[in-house]
Amino acid sequence: QKEVEQDPGPLSVPEGAIVSLNCTYSNSAFQYFMWYRQYSRKGPELLMYTYSSGNKEDGRFTAQVDKSSKYISLFIRDSQPSDSATYLCAMYRNQGGKLIFGQGTELSVKP
Amino acid sequence: GAVVSQHPSRVICKSGTSVKIECRSLDFQATTMFWYRQFPKQSLMLMATSNEGSKATYEQGVEKDKFLINHASLTLSTLTVTSAHPEDSSFYICSARGRGPAYNEQFFGPGTRLTVL
Repeated sequence: QKEVEQDPGPLSVPEGAIVSLNCTYSNSAFQYFMWYRQYSRKGPELLMYTYSSGNKEDGRFTAQVDKSSKYISLFIRDSQPSDSATYLCAMYRNQGGKLIFGQGTELSVKP
Repeated sequence: GAVVSQHPSRVICKSGTSVKIECRSLDFQATTMFWYRQFPKQSLMLMATSNEGSKATYEQGVEKDKFLINHASLTLSTLTVTSAHPEDSSFYICSARGRGPAYNEQFFGPGTRLTVL
């Protein structure tokens, strides 16, 4: 079993839809959680960083962490074609630790 | 967020030659830098971790004599692919963590596409 599981998709939605991206993890020692967006042939771009359970909002993006269920989510409101990319969840245990990635979910937002 | 640059963005070389890729943190001091490779439609695979002024720590299965990493300063790390072969063709991405508020966040460079003929 992988430490971090993420549905690879692809996920296709119409413009304006609410997108929900999810990851589950097996190790309760993970403390720091991140979401990255990666466009084709580009490096990952950090979207959201969270430490504690709960929600964190930044514009159209909301990151949610539920440590009791070992489940994290990224919600995208009013999705745009420019949101079409691969979204990677990532997490690590302690400061300075190795970042563990999910497989990435390929999202396509259709105009 | 913080900015990490990579150079070159793309390189094509002949089999047997060595290629150096530079990774720079432009607006913060990177105490730790990481090197990844990524194959099409796959997630990132960590190759090695380097801390400024010390030897890199390589992941299992990564040949340290083939992939030479130098983290000479708090803003620069280099990856040298020695005696490159076609199977080394891949997308190489560096990332960096810094001091202070940026310590727990990891920022990635734009990547370098290596093609070995």
